[in-house]
Formats: sequence, C-alpha cells, structure tokens
Amino acid sequence: AQRVTQPEKLLSVFKGAPVELKCNYSYSGSPELFWYVQYSRQRLQLLLRHISRESIKGFTADLNKGETSFHLKKPFAQEEDSAMYYCALPGGHTDKLIFGTGTRLQVFP
Amino acid sequence: ETGVTQSPTHLIKTRGQQVTLRCSSQSGHNTVSWYQQALGQGPQFIFQYYREEENGRGNFPPRFSGLQFPNYSSELNVNALELDDSALYLCASSSRTPGTDTQYFGPGTRLTVL
Repeated sequence: AQRVTQPEKLLSVFKGAPVELKCNYSYSGSPELFWYVQYSRQRLQLLLRHISRESIKGFTADLNKGETSFHLKKPFAQEEDSAMYYCALPGGHTDKLIFGTGTRLQVFP
Repeated sequence: ETGVTQSPTHLIKTRGQQVTLRCSSQSGHNTVSWYQQALGQGPQFIFQYYREEENGRGNFPPRFSGLQFPNYSSELNVNALELDDSALYLCASSSRTPGTDTQYFGPGTRLTVL
C-alpha cells in the first residue's frame, strides 16, 4: 500500500543551524513526491516537488529510491521557516495526494 | 487570479445532523479534491470531482457525498454526523493539464460535532 512516513512530530533548531525533515515512502513504481508547508494562520501550500528539482526558499529535497526517502533539507534555518511540513505522494490514477502526519519545525532565534 | 475559497469557516453541529460545505475552485481549474484533516494528522483524501463526475474516492463511507457544478465549484455533504467527523475539511483545486496539476488548497472549514 502507498504510504508516507514522517517519523518526527517536532523538530526544534536554532537560527542558522542545518535542518533535515525526514520523509520515507512506500510506493510501487516511480513516485512523484511533494513537500507542502503550512505557516501559522495560512493555508497549506506547495513548497516543492521532486520532478521540478527546484530550490524553494533555500529548501531542497532529493529522491533516494534505494532508501525510499525524500528528506527536506536547508543548510541554514531562518525563523520564518517555522511551520508545519507535510510530505506527500500521489495515490493512484487520480490526482489524490497521500500525506504524512507532518513535522512541526520550530526555529528559535 | 482568484484562489480557492471555502465556506463556512467554522461550523458546529450535533450528532445525527447533516452538513454541507462549499468550495470555489481557483480560476481555470476543473478538478476539485476534498480532504479531511483530523487533529494532529495529515490530510486524508475523501474524493475528487472532475467535470462534475466523481473521479476517485478514499476510504470514507457513503454518508460522505459530493457534487461539482458547471462552474467547477463543489460541495461536500456529510449525513448522520458522528463525533469522529470533527475535523478540518480542506478543498483543493487543480487543472488536469500535465505540468500544471499542482493542487491549490483552500483555508478549510473547521467542523465540530457535539
């Protein structure tokens, strides 16, 4: 079954520290993976998708098929990165998304 | 470009009642997906509508039903409400055109069932 696992509920770092938000997936085939972010009092929005290979707000994510992972990384965290982060993958022939449980990132000054 | 809107923002109902939630899709989008997000969980797919037809359904009972209208707006109806239906309900719109199929989410409707 298709599944996304985000093992950490909360990740706390200080400003300027590196950040890695973990995401592991279970999927048969070649998945397209997404990271969505929800800032306080804002709606859920797409941060990046692996197919575009972009760096958004300094974040990158590399698909590792061997480890079935799609970890989100940023070398130097900023306070404005504090938010809820969700990893997601497509679930079949529709465009539905299967989300992980999310990781709350707290960046302290 | 108008984003996805949802109404109402909050709603309180009692067990056994029925509720209708509404979603207006982003301009140019023809697909609407509905998700349920319980406290502390990620969004869970309920169903999707494309060109007024249901186009996929998650693991939700038939008392969860929906509609899509010719202008691509959508409704989510839940009958015989249960306490566990208390959640944030998210609507997302997208286009079926490859490369522009990113799902854009609305702000959600928070439903409380007492």
